[in-house]
Amino acid sequence: GAGVSQSPSNKVTEKGKDVELRCDPISGHTALYWYRQSLGQGLEFLIYFQGNSAPDKSGLPSDRFSAERTGGSVSTLTIQRTQQEDSAVYLCASSSVSYEQYFGPGTRLTVT
Amino acid sequence: GDSVTQMEGPVTLSEEAFLTINCTYTATGYPSLFWYVQYPGEGLQLLLKATKADDKGSNKGFEATYRKETTSFHLEKGSVQVSDSAVYFCALNTGSARQLTFGSGTQLTVLP
Repeated sequence: GAGVSQSPSNKVTEKGKDVELRCDPISGHTALYWYRQSLGQGLEFLIYFQGNSAPDKSGLPSDRFSAERTGGSVSTLTIQRTQQEDSAVYLCASSSVSYEQYFGPGTRLTVT
Repeated sequence: GDSVTQMEGPVTLSEEAFLTINCTYTATGYPSLFWYVQYPGEGLQLLLKATKADDKGSNKGFEATYRKETTSFHLEKGSVQVSDSAVYFCALNTGSARQLTFGSGTQLTVLP
């Protein structure tokens, strides 16, 4: 079956602009995660959605970052007023009750 | 909080050599342990996992044993191939926090 998909695969934006990154999880997976992979910080957790529960936002680095998950499926990560330090690969993962996380290919964000 | 310490790379081996990548962890609960692999230009893939003490995870000739007494989950392979060249990440999660905590990653290069 289809895996986790993310779009766009690459995004170049100017400092100060807003960006939206999209994640389509594996069908039927109730949990969805966002991570960030950068050279300086490695792989960092950002936010976690589980079913209809309130999301765990404990990893979001600032209030410029937000995410939503519509209809328990697709998720959008929004970064407002982008800064150069936001440049990274943003990874989405989904899981079912087994808690094994399956990752998408990522969105490479470059802020110029 | 939870943390994962991983052997620093890069690691360069000749084909058919023995591989060990060390991983130790600190966790407040009883974690599940994982090894993920990232091949060049691709996303993260689950390589193997272990969910309780003394469990051995194995896949594609790789093995790792959950050692609670030494809080370790070292990755081993008896005979590496050029196709094993990738970045390897050790990770954990616990019952209270389903998100993964990752080590810094180890770049493995296997030469023919």
